[in-house]
Amino acid sequence: KAGVTQTPRYLIKTRGQQVTLSCSPISGHRSVSWYQQTPGQGLQFLFEYFSETQRNKGNFPGRFSGRQFSNSRSEMNVSTLELGDSALYLCASSLSTLGSYNEQFFGPGTRLTVL
Amino acid sequence: SQQGEEDPQALSIQEGENATMNCSYKTSINNLQWYRQNSGRGLVHLILIRSNEREKHSGRLRVTLDTSKKSSSLLITASRAADTASYFCATVLYGAMDSNYQLIWGAGTKLIIKP
Repeated sequence: KAGVTQTPRYLIKTRGQQVTLSCSPISGHRSVSWYQQTPGQGLQFLFEYFSETQRNKGNFPGRFSGRQFSNSRSEMNVSTLELGDSALYLCASSLSTLGSYNEQFFGPGTRLTVL
Repeated sequence: SQQGEEDPQALSIQEGENATMNCSYKTSINNLQWYRQNSGRGLVHLILIRSNEREKHSGRLRVTLDTSKKSSSLLITASRAADTASYFCATVLYGAMDSNYQLIWGAGTKLIIKP
């Protein structure tokens, strides 16, 4: 089975722009979670989707949004980029209907640099 | 604030030795998960221990959980160079409603195995 894939792997944007990141979960996984990882703040939960519905949300501003499609693929969008949004964005999928409550499988991440 | 905090922040040992890292958390948990992250394989789930379990084994890994002390430890026996990675504990933090939860991560322990 193919693992979790994320595209693009690297991205460079400038302040004020917006960006869309994509995640394809493992086949059969309906839960997709997104995380931001930075050296200063570590791993932080952004949101989780299950069957096209946002089920949980972390403490991030409304500039961060996401969605999930009927095939479980997910996208996250960050609008009005700030320098502090530079980070590794990780997507994880889970077979469990409880999502991040149980074992998650992570993609390689998208490295976003905001200049 | 982080739910889980690992100790030590960094650990350097000789190949073949055992490595122990600890995780403390603040609120009651349902389960605690350990993950490993290295540049080659990304973030990988290692083991999940439920709140009613005290110890769990997986190959060279041994995890213990002490809910009275709100702490967990991960022991890696007979370490190998390939164990060089950052190790994170993660716990589920509930929101105002039981259906709202998120995975909270510690800052990680950076483990270096010297040949």
